[in-house]
Amino acid sequence: SQQGEEDPQALSIQEGENATMNCSYKTSINNLQWYRQNSGRGLVHLILIRSNEREKHSGRLRVTLDTSKKSSSLLITASRAADTASYFCAPDTGRRALTFGSGTRLQVQP
Amino acid sequence: EAGVAQSPRYKIIEKRQSVAFWCNPISGHATLYWYQQILGQGPKLLIQFQNNGVVDDSQLPKDRFSAERLKGVDSTLKIQPAKLEDSAVYLCASSPLSGTPTQYFGPGTRLTVL
Repeated sequence: SQQGEEDPQALSIQEGENATMNCSYKTSINNLQWYRQNSGRGLVHLILIRSNEREKHSGRLRVTLDTSKKSSSLLITASRAADTASYFCAPDTGRRALTFGSGTRLQVQP
Repeated sequence: EAGVAQSPRYKIIEKRQSVAFWCNPISGHATLYWYQQILGQGPKLLIQFQNNGVVDDSQLPKDRFSAERLKGVDSTLKIQPAKLEDSAVYLCASSPLSGTPTQYFGPGTRLTVL
């Protein structure tokens, strides 16, 4: 499996603003997953986008995937203090073993 | 549906001691993963089981780490002897064999080696 690299490493915004974080990877994938990790907790799956999809929505989350550029973005709209967490992307080559980057640490100020 | 259970939640040991972590995956999930997460980094896969067989243990430091999954359900990860650099959170995750490859994570065990 391969590692996704998230950018930026850290992001601080005000409540109500949108947060955008990006992910780049290196080889062909079957799908790409995004996970959230609150401080001191395990990871929680947020959304999965398949290689033949370009955009996917789930509540306040919007994920895009550009396989030609080998990149993905996660947009959180109308952020809340509870969105404060680390966010990880996980490119999946089909082996079901995920490799995580260092993540984007999002801080939402109330 | 109960989630992935892990115990203990916290463990403090001296270097060169031994430690074991336990994981109970979601019922029916054939695939189980152990990850190591060092502070400030993302989780790193240590070992992947499918039922009670090992699929990938290429990043498991086999001179000191061992893992088993008896009967394809619960799993135990052991470190013997521990080193200072083993201080980390050890995460267990599980996923079904077919369908969406989402992984479900437990709360983790935070290990401190003094």
